[in-house]
Amino acid sequence: GQQVMQIPQYQHVQEGEDFTTYCNSSTTLSNIQWYKQRPGGHPVFLIQLVKSGEVKKQKRLTFQFGEAKKNSSLHITATQTTDVGTYFCAGPGAGNMLTFGGGTRLMVKP
Amino acid sequence: ETGVTQTPRHLVMGMTNKKSLKCEQHLGHNAMYWYKQSAKKPLELMFVYSLEERVENNSVPSRFSPECPNSSHLFLHLHTLQPEDSALYLCASSQDSGWGNYGYTFGSGTRLTVV
Repeated sequence: GQQVMQIPQYQHVQEGEDFTTYCNSSTTLSNIQWYKQRPGGHPVFLIQLVKSGEVKKQKRLTFQFGEAKKNSSLHITATQTTDVGTYFCAGPGAGNMLTFGGGTRLMVKP
Repeated sequence: ETGVTQTPRHLVMGMTNKKSLKCEQHLGHNAMYWYKQSAKKPLELMFVYSLEERVENNSVPSRFSPECPNSSHLFLHLHTLQPEDSALYLCASSQDSGWGNYGYTFGSGTRLTVV
């Protein structure tokens, strides 16, 4: 079945540094979603990418969908302590159900 | 408040107990989901309901029994659980169960501990 892999699993950064998490699929994705889960919280939908090569920005967050629609990335510029949490990508799996990657846990040192 | 309400927030139960988790969505969505989140498997799909009909059961043990009486409510009935079932159980909803331009809205989850 379709697999969605995320790297890295963990990332420690100093506040102000940039951060990137990568999502790779074994198959071509029709589109991809990104979620953020704060510590002790629940996943919250951030964005969906649909088009090949698409780039979307939300303030300091930049989301990219690969040309082949098999990978995606989330880049955070100048991290802040409020960025702490786990970032998940998700793509359509069997039966078009959402399949989540393992997540990247971001820790920010003030 | 996310529009998806889960109760209880925390639950401790013995292995012989029977309990139920409740989820209610106020978003007018047609699909509802149960996910299990643990350290070993971050977000594991358990059940999917679309318009009150079960669409998918991801090989979940029979000690977990879902119920969807209408498109706004979803239950997860628990009985004779094992300690390894301790996890965060998340309910989610979306406009429909097929892949589309719809993000999932998650509830705050029920933190379950089996002793």
